[in-house]
Amino acid sequence: DAGITQSPRHKVTETGTPVTLRCHQTENHRYMYWYRQDPGHGLRLIHYSYGVKDTDKGEVSDGYSVSRSKTEDFLLTLESATSSQTSVYFCATRGGVVGNQPQHFGDGTRLSIL
Amino acid sequence: GENVEQHPSTLSVQEGDSAVIKCTYSDSASNYFPWYKQELGKRPQLIIDIRSNVGEKKDQRIAVTLNKTAKHFSLHITETQPEDSAVYFCAASIGGGGADGLTFGKGTHLIIQP
Repeated sequence: DAGITQSPRHKVTETGTPVTLRCHQTENHRYMYWYRQDPGHGLRLIHYSYGVKDTDKGEVSDGYSVSRSKTEDFLLTLESATSSQTSVYFCATRGGVVGNQPQHFGDGTRLSIL
Repeated sequence: GENVEQHPSTLSVQEGDSAVIKCTYSDSASNYFPWYKQELGKRPQLIIDIRSNVGEKKDQRIAVTLNKTAKHFSLHITETQPEDSAVYFCAASIGGGGADGLTFGKGTHLIIQP
């Protein structure tokens, strides 16, 4: 959907290591989002971006940072991964200038922190 | 912040019957309400959405209703089929510029019994 590619698709790493997830889109969409999905919690917003170098925090931003140096890429970084960050991470994008436009999701990254 | 409650958590219906999933939201400023369907191991896919200036929207066997006064919205699926089996998520957002990350309900597992 919306030409969204997430990488890697799966990753296993150890507590304390840094991890970076990448979201790449080919639709030239201005808005990009990172969510995490955990059993019993649905999807929760981590960070979002409303333009190059413009980002803001979501509901569960502690322990995460993001960067957007160009329109097509939105990176999510766990500086020092913890077991509580084991989750499935989804990137989403939307087009348009005003709100109330559909968000479309990538295929997700399954991250396991041992 | 916004809070979205979704019920029921599991819904089992006979093939051909109707299914109804209900959500309530807390922030009266919310004005965009999408519904996503997620199959096991897949990404959430938008199936229908409604904006606050509309009370009902229909797309073939799927309809969504919105009651702004009561702050609740519902998904209706008629003539259910086996391929409707999935987890369904409702969501809400305030919209406007980039501050429109979605707040999701915790999901409803819809099971279609043959």
